[in-house]
Amino acid sequence: KQEVTQIPAALSVPEGENLVLNCSFTDSAIYNLQWFRQDPGKGLTSLLLIQSSQREQTSGRLNASLDKSSGRSTLYIAASQPGDSATYLCAVRPRGNNRLAFGKGNQVVVIP
Amino acid sequence: NAGVTQTPKFRVLKTGQSMTLLCAQDMNHEYMYWYRQDPGMGLRLIHYSVGEGTTAKGEVPDGYNVSRLKKQNFLLGLESAAPSQTSVYFCASSFTGREQYFGPGTRLTVT
Repeated sequence: KQEVTQIPAALSVPEGENLVLNCSFTDSAIYNLQWFRQDPGKGLTSLLLIQSSQREQTSGRLNASLDKSSGRSTLYIAASQPGDSATYLCAVRPRGNNRLAFGKGNQVVVIP
Repeated sequence: NAGVTQTPKFRVLKTGQSMTLLCAQDMNHEYMYWYRQDPGMGLRLIHYSVGEGTTAKGEVPDGYNVSRLKKQNFLLGLESAAPSQTSVYFCASSFTGREQYFGPGTRLTVT
């Protein structure tokens, strides 16, 4: 069974610092990996999708990398802003499976 | 496009009552999913569908039923609600193998 881990569960950073969020998964046989953002009381917003054949994806200040062999992905947010405060979730789609396996998220607070 | 919408947004049920949650998507996605999110447990898949008229069990299907009579709609039913089903329910949809898009959620309390 695919297990997805996100550590730490919560972190705070001063505004302007770069954010680095880590996601690890136990089975490298994945189809893709998706990063989501969730604001309190809201649904999940898709940030980036990385296919298994890709090493990274970028969107604006966000960059996500994927290292399948080591079972890791990193979400990098440059020059963090208070509006980046949210919970960030990593989800992996195993090969041959239609389901996503979710981590429990990193709760981020960016301090003005 | 409205994306993925969920009805209702909030609901309070008494133990033993039944209800249906409606999910609708206007993106012509083949796949649709129902999740529940609980503190400390993360998101768990209840049921999913890979196309109109098909459904399959997820990780925590007991106590729930689903139907996908139309491609754009996916219904989640609770036949006899229990306090353990107090949760936030999310619907999602996707094309085959592509990113999932989530609805805003339904907050359900069973007393």
